[in-house]
Formats: sequence, C-alpha cells, structure tokens
Amino acid sequence: QLQLQESGPGLVKPSETLSLTCVVSSASLSNSNYFWGWIRQPPGKGLEWIGSIYYTGSTYYNPSLKSRVTISLDMSKNHFSLKLSSVTAADTAVYYCARDISGNAPFDFWGQGTLVTVSS
Amino acid sequence: AIQMTQSPSSLSASVGDRVTIACRASQGIRNDLGWYQQKPGKAPKLLIYKVSRLQSGVPSRFSGSGSGTDFTLTISSLQPEDSATYYCVQDYDLWTFGQGTKVEIK
Repeated sequence: QLQLQESGPGLVKPSETLSLTCVVSSASLSNSNYFWGWIRQPPGKGLEWIGSIYYTGSTYYNPSLKSRVTISLDMSKNHFSLKLSSVTAADTAVYYCARDISGNAPFDFWGQGTLVTVSS
Repeated sequence: AIQMTQSPSSLSASVGDRVTIACRASQGIRNDLGWYQQKPGKAPKLLIYKVSRLQSGVPSRFSGSGSGTDFTLTISSLQPEDSATYYCVQDYDLWTFGQGTKVEIK
C-alpha cells in the first residue's frame, strides 16, 4: 500500500527557510515512471503547485516560486525534500507531497498534508 | 506559464441534478487535463485524467470531456457525498491548477 508522509516543523519564523520531507513507502523514488511533487494550499484557498522532481534529479519549479525553492531526492532513505527560503506569512499553508505518473495521471496519490505556519 | 480558469467558482444544486464545471486553459494543452475532488480537511482525490479517463474506484456518474483549451467535468446525477470543491489541473507544461469550484447540495 503506497504511503506518502510529510514531516517537518509546523512553525517557521519570517525570513527563515521552511524545510519539509516526504517519506515514501511501498514505492521506489528510482522508478522512472514517476515524478514526485509538492503542492500547497493556504487556509481557505486553492491548490498551488510548488515543484516536482524526477528520479534523475531533474527539478521543475513554479516560476512564481522558483527563486526560493529547492527540491531534492534522497534515494537511500526513499524520501524527497522541500526547502522554501525567505518565507513570509503568505507562505502559511498546508503542504502536500504527491506522486505523478509521468505522461499519464497527474498527482494520483497524495500525502495527508502538513500545516506550516509562518509567524514570529 | 499556462493559466487555468474554472467556472463557476461555486454552485448549488439538488440531489439528482446534472452538474457541469468548466475549465479553460490559456493555451492548448492537448489532452493533459485532470480533475480532483477535495473535501474539507482532506487531500485532493484524483477523479479523472487525460480529459476523460476515470481513475480506479471513481463512480461512473463522473465524466470528463473537452479538447484543446476547453474542458468540462460532469456529474450526471448529483449525490450528497459529492459536496466538495473540484479542481482542474494541466500537466502539459509543468503543472497548473484551476482556482476551484465549490459544489453545495441544496
């Protein structure tokens, strides 16, 4: 049974870096059929794609966030990570990690999400 | 970047009604269009991908259609459990979500 589980601090101070990890169970990050992505949702608002990574390490970022985002893979731990720098209150959101089937189904499987609040 | 525009932003309909939600892309996206259902406090659930392919386990009252830039999600007979927010997404060029359509039951 595929599982994705986000983890990381629930509170981050303004101007600091938000760091989250998504642990993947029952699927390999090295599978060439998948992209692995991060999506966020501010309270009461819609979904925003942040970025995705392929098993080769190739990364794809939302142009509006590109200057602040880094996504990386750790094959040994079968997890992938998100770093978002210089955060403000506007980055307060539920952050989801998800699997995308390359060239087929977009984000077919999601983690439960984790709320990150930016506040001093 | 490709923009996705959904309409309406919200609707209210009765059980048994046929409901349609539109999604328009700012440029052609071939058939790289999906639809999600999201209930409060839950992660989105993929309903349809490649415009009209039903994800496994999704009831057949959900269907998708369209091509090029204009797409539609249809619920043929609205059920109480369909109360949710629905999002379209394109994965033709990176990924972009529509702003969502909230469906309420009268």
